[in-house]
Amino acid sequence: DAGITQSPRHKVTETGTPVTLRCHQTENHRYMYWYRQDPGHGLRLIHYSYGVKDTDKGEVSDGYSVSRSKTEDFLLTLESATSSQTSVYFCAILGGDEQFFGPGTRLTVL
Amino acid sequence: QQPVQSPQAVILREGEDAVINCSSSKALYSVHWYRQKHGEAPVFLMILLKGGEQKGHDKISASFNEKKQQSSLYLTASQLSYSGTYFCGTVTTSGTYKYIFGTGTRLKVLA
Repeated sequence: DAGITQSPRHKVTETGTPVTLRCHQTENHRYMYWYRQDPGHGLRLIHYSYGVKDTDKGEVSDGYSVSRSKTEDFLLTLESATSSQTSVYFCAILGGDEQFFGPGTRLTVL
Repeated sequence: QQPVQSPQAVILREGEDAVINCSSSKALYSVHWYRQKHGEAPVFLMILLKGGEQKGHDKISASFNEKKQQSSLYLTASQLSYSGTYFCGTVTTSGTYKYIFGTGTRLKVLA
């Protein structure tokens, strides 16, 4: 295992509430990523980080913010969740030439 | 902006071959291929770099046409274990590791 975990693994929330997803790595890798996966769209990059406090937007960043105050943690926040943000969220780390993905978080916004 | 993969889905019998294509509207620096089984996270298969270097799987091969901004994944003598969804991940700028993944190809291998 690449030493990457996500929490929570499942979450059901209501429209308008804030939600924070956590990605934790034990590998000390510099690059970390947040993706969402929806049928027909594959994996879409939300935000990524290339170091502590260094982040950049991906393809679908609207409605999401991220923070990385420590190498091992990368947080994804939905400030005010909407039903369109119902999805499976994957975190990934870059180790050498490959990305290692976390187990995913299934988020449902009612 | 997402790379387009074709076909969207394919069904094979064991032992048959398949080709999955990934086409980008932007110039590519590298292409990565991943396979995802149902209910699991994607897993790395291989990387193809500008200039022709290729690293990865010993039973799956791929090509990278920089001029056409395309990559193809070749699955030969397919096995049941090849079933899953295949994604290409592209990097369009040298020196960055901003990956944009394709739309995915669902592959099912039947006995």
